[in-house]
Amino acid sequence: AQSVTQLGSHVSVSEGALVLLRCNYSSSVPPYLFWYVQYPNQGLQLLLKYTSAATLVKGINGFEAEFKKSETSFHLTKPSAHMSDAAEYFCAVRDNNNDMRFGAGTRLTVKP
Amino acid sequence: DSGVTQTPKHLITATGQRVTLRCSPRSGDLSVYWYQQSLDQGLQFLIQYYNGEERAKGNILERFSAQQFPDLHSELNLSSLELGDSALYFCASSVGASRGNEQFFGPGTRLTVL
Repeated sequence: AQSVTQLGSHVSVSEGALVLLRCNYSSSVPPYLFWYVQYPNQGLQLLLKYTSAATLVKGINGFEAEFKKSETSFHLTKPSAHMSDAAEYFCAVRDNNNDMRFGAGTRLTVKP
Repeated sequence: DSGVTQTPKHLITATGQRVTLRCSPRSGDLSVYWYQQSLDQGLQFLIQYYNGEERAKGNILERFSAQQFPDLHSELNLSSLELGDSALYFCASSVGASRGNEQFFGPGTRLTVL
């Protein structure tokens, strides 16, 4: 069965600094991987997804993630944090069973 | 706005009761998914329907059931409610059933069981 581990339940960065949110997965088959963002009192919004094409995936709002099979990782990065990036971020994996397994989430705080 | 609507927005009920949560997918989407988000369990996939038929099942309790109607809206029925069922319930929809399809999430229904 597939699973996702997000390292760090809280990450705090200064505005303009690099954002790095970590995600490691386990899957018995080549996985499909996703990053979602959740703003307060809202549903989840897809940032980007990996579906076995290019290993470097670019998403919305300047985010990108790199699939590294050897490290079973799919870390999310953004070169320069903006105050509006403050939210909760979820990594998720979907295998052939079609169910989606989410990580515990990482709350990103951006300091002025 | 994702285009997915969920009603009601909030629901407060007592233990032992039964409630129904409703979801209308985006226009043109055939798949509907239900998720539960709680502080204890995080975000958990419950069940998926595609064009009226159950397609995948996750951690859905036997006290819970769902269906998708011919007009593609879906309902999640929760019965014999317990305090631990208090959570945010999300519905999502996608155009197809494959695992690469983007899922669009609704705003959620917050269920409080007293």
